[in-house]
Amino acid sequence: DVVMTQSPLSLPVTLGQPASISCRSSQILLYSDGNTYLNWFLQRPGQSPRRLIYKVSNRDSGVPDRFSGSGSGTDFTLKISRVEAEDVGVYYCMQGTHWPHTFGQGTKLEIK
Amino acid sequence: EVQLVESGGGLVQPGGSLRLSCAASGFAFSTYWMSWVRQTPGKGLEWVANLNLDGSEKHYVDSVKGRFTISRDNAKNSLFLQMNSLRAEDAAVYYCARDNGATGWVYWGQGTLVTVSS
Repeated sequence: DVVMTQSPLSLPVTLGQPASISCRSSQILLYSDGNTYLNWFLQRPGQSPRRLIYKVSNRDSGVPDRFSGSGSGTDFTLKISRVEAEDVGVYYCMQGTHWPHTFGQGTKLEIK
Repeated sequence: EVQLVESGGGLVQPGGSLRLSCAASGFAFSTYWMSWVRQTPGKGLEWVANLNLDGSEKHYVDSVKGRFTISRDNAKNSLFLQMNSLRAEDAAVYYCARDNGATGWVYWGQGTLVTVSS
């Protein structure tokens, strides 16, 4: 199975400051159709996961533009330009290129 | 509004069985693949199983093959997960989710807790 490794696992951030989460995969995520199926999810406390970004850099409907995704191959990043209180929770990367689809272990973002 | 509501979780002894259900509404259920995804404190999020529109094609993570069976009833807009020979490591919150293929899952239920303990 493809192993997804996130860092850091804990991310204390001051409100209004930027944040960045790294996600590395054990195999290249470029699929034969030319797409790279690396997706990001946020799970707020007490809630179900919510998809934020799909195929590396495409924001889902309603996701603020302070969230951005980038990367290629095996190395990906989720960035928040200015952290707000509602961004608290656990962020997961997930790959959909290889079966079974697998998640990273999660990065817990908290406000300092 | 898309809604997915799971039920059927609970406490079961190792080796026991449990059947989870998911009631779907707000979308054309029969036109979507559906998945079960579980979450444990130790292993985090893990995709468990999914199936195609008419239930004729099913996929499972290796750890549940031969023990879990996913199924659906399109007439009742319902998804099921029959779990047999349950192990301690199957204890988790189980989510029903509408499958978006390689881009993951946009719609999730609230989850149902399965506890495996003697």
